[in-house]
Amino acid sequence: DSGVTQTPKHLITATGQRVTLRCSPRSGDLSVYWYQQSLDQGLQFLIQYYNGEERAKGNILERFSAQQFPDLHSELNLSSLELGDSALYFCASSSRGEQPQHFGDGTRLSIL
Amino acid sequence: AQTVTQSQPEMSVQEAETVTLSCTYDTSESDYYLFWYKQPPSRQMILVIRQEAYKQQNATENRFSVNFQKAAKSFSLKISDSQLGDAAMYFCAYRTSWNNAGNMLTFGGGTRLMVKP
Repeated sequence: DSGVTQTPKHLITATGQRVTLRCSPRSGDLSVYWYQQSLDQGLQFLIQYYNGEERAKGNILERFSAQQFPDLHSELNLSSLELGDSALYFCASSSRGEQPQHFGDGTRLSIL
Repeated sequence: AQTVTQSQPEMSVQEAETVTLSCTYDTSESDYYLFWYKQPPSRQMILVIRQEAYKQQNATENRFSVNFQKAAKSFSLKISDSQLGDAAMYFCAYRTSWNNAGNMLTFGGGTRLMVKP
């Protein structure tokens, strides 16, 4: 158990819809990262938050957004969903940026 | 931008034997971190081992060790006394040490390791 909690574990929805993925980092971790794992793109970094503020952005689509709340949990919002958004979405956390990242179990998103 | 390459899409090893997974990376930085993550069929991402570029000594964690060749930009993972539970996808990852750029991981494409009984 990494201590990083992601909900839900599975999500099935239709094209054009909007979903929210939630992540609770390990106790004491200030940094939260979101990654997407798909068959064609592999594991890609989406976005990082540190203590409530956006720290770095990767290949995140404009239809996607995220935030980190005062209690340090984070949400990834995906809108206008397309078939290609089907993937495993991971959240990871670390205590400080230079510390190793620990991953949650992921949310599997399936777009029908 | 940094890139990470794992040239072996699949590897297999006999139980109790040793296997080495390859990873090369491209960077212009002199200080950085390298990692190996394991992803079993359960899909979890599990940190296996970590190496700081400024350390010449190769990292070791029980049966797992790395061969870090900084000049060659190579970072291979050796698994000794392979066990059935080692069967998984293994990902090599790079992270800059420059915090202003963020602390994201850049992953290789992965190597699927099969362990034969």
